[in-house]
Amino acid sequence: NAGVTQTPKFQVLKTGQSMTLQCAQDMNHEYMSWYRQDPGMGLRLIHYSVGAGITDQGEVPNGYNVSRSTTEDFPLRLLSAAPSQTSVYFCASSNLDGGGNQPQHFGDGTRLSIL
Amino acid sequence: DAKTTQPNSMESNEEEPVHLPCNHSTISGTDYIHWYRQLPSQGPEYVIHGLTSNVNNRMASLAIAEDRKSSTLILHRATLRDAAVYYCILTRTNQGGKLIFGQGTELSVKP
Repeated sequence: NAGVTQTPKFQVLKTGQSMTLQCAQDMNHEYMSWYRQDPGMGLRLIHYSVGAGITDQGEVPNGYNVSRSTTEDFPLRLLSAAPSQTSVYFCASSNLDGGGNQPQHFGDGTRLSIL
Repeated sequence: DAKTTQPNSMESNEEEPVHLPCNHSTISGTDYIHWYRQLPSQGPEYVIHGLTSNVNNRMASLAIAEDRKSSTLILHRATLRDAAVYYCILTRTNQGGKLIFGQGTELSVKP
């Protein structure tokens, strides 16, 4: 069982470049989300989705776009990368019972450096 | 969002029990208490969660105070592999799967 798969694991970009971080899960989870983690800090929520075609903003959405065309995939797009977006990015998924009673499953992260 | 307060760091000896405290004095009646841990260079890992009653699983136990304003994660026999940052998080009924991470407690385990 693969769980939550993130690609790539590492990436270096130049300022102004665009890229897409991929996230896929094989557990048929309705809920998927993206977090970023800066050094010495906890994770911060960027965007989340409660199902295909539905997305919403988290704490730190600026500079990032998302879409959810299938249940399995939830890509995160950086349209014009900035050095402030250097971080480790984590994708997570869970069942959605509306009651906060479901554990989240996290991927191993994408380590992104922007020069 | 309901806030949790945890000590920044704790130390333990290998094979001894560890009690990680968490205060959540503004918890509401339907908030679940979740614990996650993050090993170095890995994504967070679910540990345990509960609502009102104490909970046990293969990884740990969760003791919840009667007034629900605090909880304690119990690792019964710490191993070197348990060295990680432990996060105590409340999840709200109307916020689905959202997790609001604080700073967590960095647990070190001495051999």
